[in-house]
Amino acid sequence: GQQLNQSPQSMFIQEGEDVSMNCTSSSIFNTWLWYKQDPGEGPVLLIALYKAGELTSNGRLTAQFGITRKDSFLNISASIPSDVGIYFCAGQKRGSGGGADGLTFGKGTHLIIQP
Amino acid sequence: DAGVTQSPTHLIKTRGQQVTLRCSPKSGHDTVSWYQQALGQGPQFIFQYYEEEERQRGNFPDRFSGHQFPNYSSELNVNALLLGDSALYLCASSSTGAFNQPQHFGDGTRLSIL
Repeated sequence: GQQLNQSPQSMFIQEGEDVSMNCTSSSIFNTWLWYKQDPGEGPVLLIALYKAGELTSNGRLTAQFGITRKDSFLNISASIPSDVGIYFCAGQKRGSGGGADGLTFGKGTHLIIQP
Repeated sequence: DAGVTQSPTHLIKTRGQQVTLRCSPKSGHDTVSWYQQALGQGPQFIFQYYEEEERQRGNFPDRFSGHQFPNYSSELNVNALLLGDSALYLCASSSTGAFNQPQHFGDGTRLSIL
């Protein structure tokens, strides 16, 4: 099935550094979402973006919905040990019946924080 | 406020068997979506249920089927299991009515096929 192009695949950073990851698609989405998944758990929603150009923050996290509606990025400032995990972007289209379609995910960015 | 709950947490089956996975949506949600997550991959959309009907389906064979009950809970059934069906199966719930309602996920069922 289709997956979004998410990069980088993995990141090795020092605690306190800023992190940036992005996601691109060949098709347009109405909504972009960012999730974090820890081992043995399901994805947890971090940020949802609903409008092209929208910039939204959640604590140390900031995400933007690209103007073309085909991309999004996520920044994490001043990383801490609990930021370790796998970050997924997901795109969603508006359904024909008024609801929202199923999500299309990227392959994830594995964030590793070096001591 | 209970979130999305799934059962069982782990399951081991052999090839050719059938399996049923269960999901209870977050309180106030009426729409349930199912995803398959293979190791090292992002989740892949299987199908979505709303008002007890399949509303949308991803690229999965008809060995994968589902059901939604009047209380909005849902089941995922997989027949004639293959080794390649080994994966984490995730359920997500949301509220249809307002488009801007993100999906919330359960912790999944880990299915292993021997």
